[in-house]
Amino acid sequence: DIQMTQSPSSLSAAVGDGVTLTCRASQTIHNYLNWYQKKEGKAPKLLIYGASGLHSGVPSRFSGSGSGTNFSLTITSLQPEDSAIYFCQQTYSASTFGQGTRVDI
Amino acid sequence: EVRLVESGGGLEQPGRSLRLSCGASGFNLEDYAMHWVRQVPGKGLEWVAGVSWNSGYKGYGDSVKGRFTISRDNANGAVYLQMNNLRSEDTALYYCAKDIEAGFNALELWGQGTVVTVSP
Repeated sequence: DIQMTQSPSSLSAAVGDGVTLTCRASQTIHNYLNWYQKKEGKAPKLLIYGASGLHSGVPSRFSGSGSGTNFSLTITSLQPEDSAIYFCQQTYSASTFGQGTRVDI
Repeated sequence: EVRLVESGGGLEQPGRSLRLSCGASGFNLEDYAMHWVRQVPGKGLEWVAGVSWNSGYKGYGDSVKGRFTISRDNANGAVYLQMNNLRSEDTALYYCAKDIEAGFNALELWGQGTVVTVSP
């Protein structure tokens, strides 16, 4: 089965900063990689699909890149509402989530 | 309104069974794959199971293989998760989620979840 490893496990940044979260797959998943934002008490929200596709309604400060086994989510100009846990997910072979990266603003 | 509503959660003893239901409205269920995802409080997301648009493909997470079964009834707008031989580690909030396409791709619409507690 495909394992997904996210780093860092947590980070702290200021409003206006830019951050990059990474996700590594244990084997190639081509571009079957998605990113989600999860806030306490709320359902997850799809941000990026297919490694780099911006989901409808998601602010353009979110962007994704990568292919194969290495992927990243970049958030430019952090806003207070971006405080959340971010998860990557592969859907190349069944599906697996990464363990998450907590972003504190 | 496009929405998913989960039901069927509750308290059950280890070794027993529960059946979760997910009611879909506001879109054509038959056009999309559907999934179940769970989260233990304070922990991460765990993909539990998924089913393609026509039930031709079903996939399961390692921890539930052989115990859980996903199914769907497109005519009645419903997706189900039959959970057998429950374990304490199955205690979690269970979400139903809609894919963006007929096969497995990305989960764009989520319900609010139903809580399952497995305890003697």
